[in-house]
Amino acid sequence: DVKVTQSSRYLVKRTGEKVFLECVQDMDHENMFWYRQDPGLGLRLIYFSYDVKMKEKGDIPEGYSVSREKKERFSLILESASTNQTSMYLCASSLGRDLDNQPQHFGDGTRLSIL
Amino acid sequence: DQQVKQNSPSLSVQEGRISILNCDYTNSMFDYFLWYKKYPAEGPTFLISISSIKDKNEDGRFTVFLNKSAKHLSLHIVPSQPGDSAVYFCAASPYNNNDMRFGAGTRLTVKP
Repeated sequence: DVKVTQSSRYLVKRTGEKVFLECVQDMDHENMFWYRQDPGLGLRLIYFSYDVKMKEKGDIPEGYSVSREKKERFSLILESASTNQTSMYLCASSLGRDLDNQPQHFGDGTRLSIL
Repeated sequence: DQQVKQNSPSLSVQEGRISILNCDYTNSMFDYFLWYKKYPAEGPTFLISISSIKDKNEDGRFTVFLNKSAKHLSLHIVPSQPGDSAVYFCAASPYNNNDMRFGAGTRLTVKP
């Protein structure tokens, strides 16, 4: 079974802080994704990555950046946290860019509160 | 703009009956559709999928139907069980899944 592990289940930070959310997958997947989940809005894609050091913007990249230095690890960075970034953050991975029709596998999420 | 819409935020069904969850999409480039199930405090788990070349896919108690002309898909759960109570997300993507879009979710409650 694919295991996607997010380093923190709950996190509380203050406005203006730089926040790091970490995600690790153990199945040698090429693709990794960061979403946020908000009530009534479903999951919205922030950033994704096809490969090491590659990144692509999703629908809502403003205020975020990402880092993928190793294939198994994908970090989401809030450069200067704001209260509207309080949300549930979900990391996902999938097998490979050139393979069609693959589901994404999700971690258990990080509930981030910005005070 | 929400390209994938789940218009029912919640659904309540009696145990043993059929649950039908609906999903509409607007992007005609979508050709791969999925349903995910999410329990509280857990990430979404993949449930079932269907590609645009099919109109039905079945896996045990779960069946997904796709109506491409109406841009509509549905998930049928028969018979429904209390353990099926969760939030169900519909998702869709074009040729590769890197641009997957999710609906807002439908909370299913199956009453014993």
